[in-house]
Amino acid sequence: NAGVTQTPKFRILKIGQSMTLQCTQDMNHNYMYWYRQDPGMGLKLIYYSVGAGITDKGEVPNGYNVSRSTTEDFPLRLELAAPSQTSVYFCASKLAGVSSEGYGYTFGSGTRLTVV
Amino acid sequence: EDQVTQSPEALRLQEGESSSLNCSYTVSGLRGLFWYRQDPGKGPEFLFTLYSAGEEKEKERLKATLTKKESFLHITAPKPEDSATYLCAVLEIQGAQKLVFGQGTRLTINP
Repeated sequence: NAGVTQTPKFRILKIGQSMTLQCTQDMNHNYMYWYRQDPGMGLKLIYYSVGAGITDKGEVPNGYNVSRSTTEDFPLRLELAAPSQTSVYFCASKLAGVSSEGYGYTFGSGTRLTVV
Repeated sequence: EDQVTQSPEALRLQEGESSSLNCSYTVSGLRGLFWYRQDPGKGPEFLFTLYSAGEEKEKERLKATLTKKESFLHITAPKPEDSATYLCAVLEIQGAQKLVFGQGTRLTINP
């Protein structure tokens, strides 16, 4: 059981380039999320999805786009990369509702992106 | 708007020296408060969920407690392997079940 898989692990982009960060989960979770984490800061929500075909903006969506065509995949697209997008990006997923363990998020291992 | 503040930002302890990390929050209605551990280069790893004031949960050398305005993560007789960043988060009451994170406390345990 792989959980949440993110690719690539590291990437360097030049200003103005575009790329897609991939996120796949194999737990049949309904909800998926993209967070970014800057040094010394907590995680900030970029976009989220409550199911296939449904996405919505989080706290810091500018410069990003997402799609959710399947339950498993939730790619994050960066158009016209800027130095301010240098960060570590985490994808997460969870089941809808409350489990006996509480609202358990499962996180991927992250993508470290540098824009130069 | 929900807000979460953690203190201190960084904490250095000697092995065996017990201490506590603080997480204060302001929310319109608490659905859950979460503690995560994050190792360098890794994603957050779930530790505890607390739902109501007075609740406590324990795991090895860690104990989390909750009041109406804050949560504490108590670390008893820590070991170097407890070194990590500890993140606190609250669950927003709206339907998408989003977490709002604090900035984290970076804990270092010296042998």
